[in-house]
Amino acid sequence: GAVVSQHPSWVICKSGTSVKIECRSLDFQATTMFWYRQFPKQSLMLMATSNEGSKATYEQGVEKDKFLINHASLTLSTLTVTSAHPEDSSFYICSARDDRGGEAFFGQGTRLTVV
Amino acid sequence: EDQVTQSPEALRLQEGESSSLNCSYTVSGLRGLFWYRQDPGKGPEFLFTLYSAGEEKEKERLKATLTKKESFLHITAPKPEDSATYLCAVSRTTDSWGKLQFGAGTQVVVTP
Repeated sequence: GAVVSQHPSWVICKSGTSVKIECRSLDFQATTMFWYRQFPKQSLMLMATSNEGSKATYEQGVEKDKFLINHASLTLSTLTVTSAHPEDSSFYICSARDDRGGEAFFGQGTRLTVV
Repeated sequence: EDQVTQSPEALRLQEGESSSLNCSYTVSGLRGLFWYRQDPGKGPEFLFTLYSAGEEKEKERLKATLTKKESFLHITAPKPEDSATYLCAVSRTTDSWGKLQFGAGTQVVVTP
């Protein structure tokens, strides 16, 4: 199946700092990518829809100024967690769907720990 | 309000003991229902997409079926490597392709 690469796999940062997570579609173009968050023992919750060349669409309750999304090319979307706090510690996962069709494929996830 | 409910929350099977997982959904305008497998600390791995009631798909020991209200994932003669959390998700016709609403998942443990 299609490959979606997410980097880094894990990151530890100090409270108040910002962290950037990258999501790349390696063998296809994706105009739209998606960012999810997963807390321990819970399912994936959609945070935002990332649109190439335009603003991201955020789900209700997700702070757009805290979770900055940039989708500058058809193969790369980034999520920046700004002024991170311990409650932002979570597993962040991106997904992308080939513009030519088919299912959405997921990255391997990023474990963020804010200390 | 759209809902996706999976049962049971957890399932412990002996190797070779077949069983079924349930995903009940209430969605206005279903485009497709998806099954994913998720291993600890990893992103979900795609298994199946079902688009219409009566549709069935198979892959090795897994078979997914769909009705107008629910989907089942049947695991036949499971092996320890089938241990994982199985996630059900739906896509609406009014949403972008690839935008999914997930159920809470069923954690499956298969013991030798």
